[in-house]
Amino acid sequence: NAGVTQTPKFQVLKTGQSMTLQCAQDMNHEYMSWYRQDPGMGLRLIHYSVGAGITDQGEVPNGYNVSRSTTEDFPLRLLSAAPSQTSVYFCASSSQGADEKLFFGSGTQLSVL
Amino acid sequence: ELKVEQNPLFLSMQEGKNYTIYCNYSTTSDRLYWYRQDPGKSLESLFVLLSNGAVKQEGRLMASLDTKARLSTLHITAAVHDLSATYFCAVHQGGSEKLVFGKGTKLTVNP
Repeated sequence: NAGVTQTPKFQVLKTGQSMTLQCAQDMNHEYMSWYRQDPGMGLRLIHYSVGAGITDQGEVPNGYNVSRSTTEDFPLRLLSAAPSQTSVYFCASSSQGADEKLFFGSGTQLSVL
Repeated sequence: ELKVEQNPLFLSMQEGKNYTIYCNYSTTSDRLYWYRQDPGKSLESLFVLLSNGAVKQEGRLMASLDTKARLSTLHITAAVHDLSATYFCAVHQGGSEKLVFGKGTKLTVNP
């Protein structure tokens, strides 16, 4: 099993550009989530999903969109990138919900110039 | 709103010494997690603490949970260099599907 796979690993954007961070898991997990990690801030929840077709906002959702059309995939979209979105992004999944142990992807380092 | 505080945020210790990292949280929860992150890497799960009084140990690390005090501790015994990493506690926000992380404790173990 590959676990949780994130692509790309690194990305540089210009302000105003759009892009999608990809996340896929092969563990048949119902729960998937996106976090951003900034120095001194820990991890902050952006969006999460409890199953295909169901998404909800986390702590810092502004500027990000998500959808969950399949159990396996949970892409994160930046519609118009801003320098404040420079961060490391982690996708995580668990078998049922946020009260189960999370499995993390390897992260995407995003820089917005 | 659930707040999670860790302290200290930075910890430099000598090999062979003992120390404790603290994780306090502001509202009732019955599930707490400890994760480890090596520099430039992802997070890996260390412990899952599910009830009051829970204690888990692996190697030189021992975690405990006191839900009444809203406090978890991660105790390091006879530290070795390989334990150098950032340690995060994360608390499940009851009645939601949200996990709230502390800011992390960066541990450096010096020879």
